[in-house]
Amino acid sequence: EVQLVQSGAEVKKPGESLKISCKGSGYSFTSYWIGWVRQMAGKGLEWVGIIYPGDSDTRYSPSFQGQVTISADKSISTGYLQWSSLKASDTAMYYCARVSITMVRGLIYYYYGMDVWGQGTTVTVSS
Amino acid sequence: EIVLTQSPGTLSLSPGERATLSCRASQSVSSSYLAWYQQKPGQAPRLLIYGASSRATGIPDRFSGSGSGTDFTLTISRLEPEDFAVYYCQQYGNSLFTFGPGTKVEIK
Repeated sequence: EVQLVQSGAEVKKPGESLKISCKGSGYSFTSYWIGWVRQMAGKGLEWVGIIYPGDSDTRYSPSFQGQVTISADKSISTGYLQWSSLKASDTAMYYCARVSITMVRGLIYYYYGMDVWGQGTTVTVSS
Repeated sequence: EIVLTQSPGTLSLSPGERATLSCRASQSVSSSYLAWYQQKPGQAPRLLIYGASSRATGIPDRFSGSGSGTDFTLTISRLEPEDFAVYYCQQYGNSLFTFGPGTKVEIK
């Protein structure tokens, strides 16, 4: 079974660092991109960024560039989203998803969607 | 950045009725880059449609997608009780992915 399993809920204070994880199984982890999506309470979906674990090619939404770091460890089929200094406004649910893309010369040629999702990780930042 | 607008914000319908959801882009989007998702309360989103009109694996054929350019549509031919949820369109363009704000389909 193809699945993504995310790490558990986190409660942190402003200024603290955090790294949440997303472990893939049941498929070739290095053959698909992993994406991160934020959903604040009662709000819609926001794209954070994506990473290709095969070569660590990473793309960020301008809204999140410099605010978070996306990484992956292909040896353990795990993707990460991390913050160096959390803010209260980072409080949200964060989902990882498998992103199915056909690339041609570094450009997305066809997008098959975010077809497998993790269960989400709740991040609460409060003093 | 391409902005997606979804309408209506809320759609109140009864089981068995047809639902038509609209997604409009601020500039032309390749059909190859347009997807639709369903999200139920407390659950992760689920991919319904990719490439504007291709159903994802396991998605019932009452769900269909259409459109091109700046106007895309998700149609649910006959609403089942489990279809009442929020639906998001998503596009890729200019090296960015963006989601629409969502349409809530609620029971009338």
